[in-house]
Amino acid sequence: GAVVSQHPSRVICKSGTSVKIECRSLDFQATTMFWYRQFPKQSLMLMATSNEGSKATYEQGVEKDKFLINHASLTLSTLTVTSAHPEDSSFYICSAVAGGPAFYNEQFFGPGTRLTVL
Amino acid sequence: GENVEQHPSTLSVQEGDSAVIKCTYSDSASNYFPWYKQELGKGPQLIIDIRSNVGEKKDQRIAVTLNKTAKHFSLHITETQPEDSAVYFCAASMSEKLTFGTGTRLTIIP
Repeated sequence: GAVVSQHPSRVICKSGTSVKIECRSLDFQATTMFWYRQFPKQSLMLMATSNEGSKATYEQGVEKDKFLINHASLTLSTLTVTSAHPEDSSFYICSAVAGGPAFYNEQFFGPGTRLTVL
Repeated sequence: GENVEQHPSTLSVQEGDSAVIKCTYSDSASNYFPWYKQELGKGPQLIIDIRSNVGEKKDQRIAVTLNKTAKHFSLHITETQPEDSAVYFCAASMSEKLTFGTGTRLTIIP
């Protein structure tokens, strides 16, 4: 159980285009999902917290107009990188928190999406 | 905010030996400490976690210890195998948001 999928797994796009990444919780409902970015040989950096039915909360330094997050249902969150540039090339990973008592805060991670902007 | 330090950054261990990775955290309010294994090109996978109400937890070859007074926790892998080679991340949390350590690249030498 607690499987999270991401689509696509890999995407290459031209500079200036927009790219949408989907994150789905397959066998549970996730009221909260997180989006991370990971550069090569570095740790995961939290970009934003996505709550179903409300606006995402962005971490300091993350441009909310560039990284659009939509959490339309309890099983789907999307990250759209708008007007992508080469410096946006990175590994994007989502995670989802399974429902349950408030102190159960395990995050289950998706397999990641490798974005390359030419 | 929370700050998590992780050591060592790289670790090479002979197959069959034990590996230990250590993390320290700064916020005494943190109460959840997971460990993740990340293989190349994949997302992190939870391998074990511990909450602040216990000092040690074990799952087969993997164990985690927590010292709340000193604010540090450690991952212990015994009888290491080649498939244990990966990058390991510790994290700390007092809510749903995780703060990650910098990662340890573990290499098991056959």
